[in-house]
Amino acid sequence: AQSVTQLDSQVPVFEEAPVELRCNYSSSVSVYLFWYVQYPNQGLQLLLKYLSGSTLVKGINGFEAEFNKSQTSFHLRKPSVHISDTAEYFCAVRDLRDDKIIFGKGTRLHILP
Amino acid sequence: NAGVTQTPKFRVLKTGQSMTLLCAQDMNHEYMYWYRQDPGMGLRLIHYSVGEGTTAKGEVPDGYNVSRLKKQNFLLGLESAAPSQTSVYFCASSYPPEQYFGPGTRLTVT
Repeated sequence: AQSVTQLDSQVPVFEEAPVELRCNYSSSVSVYLFWYVQYPNQGLQLLLKYLSGSTLVKGINGFEAEFNKSQTSFHLRKPSVHISDTAEYFCAVRDLRDDKIIFGKGTRLHILP
Repeated sequence: NAGVTQTPKFRVLKTGQSMTLLCAQDMNHEYMYWYRQDPGMGLRLIHYSVGEGTTAKGEVPDGYNVSRLKKQNFLLGLESAAPSQTSVYFCASSYPPEQYFGPGTRLTVT
């Protein structure tokens, strides 16, 4: 069965500093991978997705993620964060044979002034 | 397009009461999902549907029922609410592979 582990429940970072949010998954087959963002009191919004092809995926708001099949990871990065990036970020995986997306428990990104 | 909408946005129930949450999507998506979100638990799948007239159990289905009588609507029912069902409920629809989420329903059971 597939699962997703987000290694940090909270990440504090200073404004304009780089950030990496870590995500590892387990699955016995090929997968699709996603990062979603949830701003306070809102629903989830797709940041980026990996379906196939280039392992470096670029998303909205300057975020990017790299798929590493050998390490079963899909870490999210941004070179310079802004106060508006304060949110909770969810990594998710979908087995190509399945109808369901499995979500990690989320990482809260705190931007320090 | 409104995307995915959820009704109501907030609700307070007493233990034992029943209610139905409505999810509607105008994107002609086949797949629809109900999740609950609790602090530190991420999103957990309650039930889902891969087409009109079909439903399937997710990770935490107990205490909930669903119906998908029309392609654009997915209803989540609580027959006898319990305090453990206090949560934020999200609906999503999908034209695979990614999902599109509604704004959520905050439910409190006292």
